Amino acid sequence: DTGVSQDPRHKITKRGQNVTFRCDPISEHNRLYWYRQTLGQGPEFLTYFQNEAQLEKSRLLSDRFSAERPKGSFSTLEIQRTEQGDSAMYLCASSLFGLAGEGETQYFGPGTRLLVL
Amino acid sequence: AQKITQTQPGMFVQEKEAVTLDCTYDTSDQSYGLFWYKQPSSGEMIFLIYQGSYDEQNATEGRYSLNFQKARKSANLVISASQLGDSAMYFCAMREGPSGSARQLTFGSGTQLTVLP
Repeated sequence: DTGVSQDPRHKITKRGQNVTFRCDPISEHNRLYWYRQTLGQGPEFLTYFQNEAQLEKSRLLSDRFSAERPKGSFSTLEIQRTEQGDSAMYLCASSLFGLAGEGETQYFGPGTRLLVL
Repeated sequence: AQKITQTQPGMFVQEKEAVTLDCTYDTSDQSYGLFWYKQPSSGEMIFLIYQGSYDEQNATEGRYSLNFQKARKSANLVISASQLGDSAMYFCAMREGPSGSARQLTFGSGTQLTVLP
């Protein structure tokens, strides 16, 4: 039973460049979440998908950010025209709708650390 | 107001002793869930334990137990028989709304636990 995977694990880019991150959820999970975590803080919600539909977006998700989950499996998060303030850990989580006994626990991937120079 | 408050930025515990990490929460929802995650220096968020707001008994998972005091809105994590590998950042998180409602998790700022040999 493989967990959530994310790629790349680390990304260094120059300000103004575009970056794309990938998340592969646990295979049977139908919900997928993106969070951002800055140093010394807890993760903050960005957006979530149920199957391929993006159902909620945080106000943190500016128009430079776009997320997709085209076939309801893996997801991508793209940041256009990166800024130094985008430097953070980007975490992906997945859950299985209907597993009420566990409170629909979100299981996290290892994250992608982004550094914008 | 903060939805999740963790008042202990750092805690030390001697190996093999028990430690309690504090968490208080704020919500007006009747149905909600409380989670604890562990984040080692590698960055991955590891799910530890879940407590539903309607659960009458405190949750337990191996050496982890959750001391749930609903009237006081607290959900403290107790780790028994601490091990060196327990050294990590610990986050308390809340999902507002019933299980099955896809709601994001709101995290506290975390407690850095150090287990001393």
